[in-house]
Amino acid sequence: QSALTQPASVSGSPGQSITISCTGTSSDVGGYNYVSWYQQHPGKAPKLMIYDVSNRPSGVSDRFSGSKSGNTASLTISGLQAEDEADYYCSSYTSSITYVFGTGTKVTVL
Amino acid sequence: EVQLVDSGGGLVQPGKSLRLSCAASGFTFDDYAMHWVRQAPGKGLEWVSGISWNSGSIGYADSVKGRFTISRDNAKNSLYLQMNSLRAEDTALYYCAKGSNSHIAAGWFDPWGQGTLVTVSS
Repeated sequence: QSALTQPASVSGSPGQSITISCTGTSSDVGGYNYVSWYQQHPGKAPKLMIYDVSNRPSGVSDRFSGSKSGNTASLTISGLQAEDEADYYCSSYTSSITYVFGTGTKVTVL
Repeated sequence: EVQLVDSGGGLVQPGKSLRLSCAASGFTFDDYAMHWVRQAPGKGLEWVSGISWNSGSIGYADSVKGRFTISRDNAKNSLYLQMNSLRAEDTALYYCAKGSNSHIAAGWFDPWGQGTLVTVSS
């Protein structure tokens, strides 16, 4: 199972919006609405930010939103803040009854 | 508060075995599937294995199939990963994570343990 494809890095200024893409295939992202997104700060465990493509867990800022079109899912962070600087990973359930993660995206707040 | 505490990592020689544990608290353990996810130093996340609430459904990544065995003891609120025939490429921080429902399918991972480091080297 190949990793989902994410851009290596995305940057933006405080207050701006950025979008991270996550591209897979019809056997994972495109075949199921079971895409989730995780935020990981250096030295910390990942934290769930979005589940089932576009749902936010309680306690996660509404500045984070998710969507999907075909084989590509996206995470948008609006009103970018310094604390959003971290690595972000997408994940999808697959037809092989396994999970696959994305390659990861480093978000930099300029 | 849901808490997952990973343990059992260490330095091991190639070809040897190691058993990881994850102690769960703060939720009804046998209502949920559980997973192991690993992260090699400086690299991304890789799903390793998942187990349903009653151990009736188990899945493995191709990279560990036949070498790793996931198990759980619901009476002890504990998850395990038996790792045999370890290779250098298994070197990683191993996290246990709570699934979103009782089955390994169609879910997400929340929360995660703090991770336990496995280093495979001679």
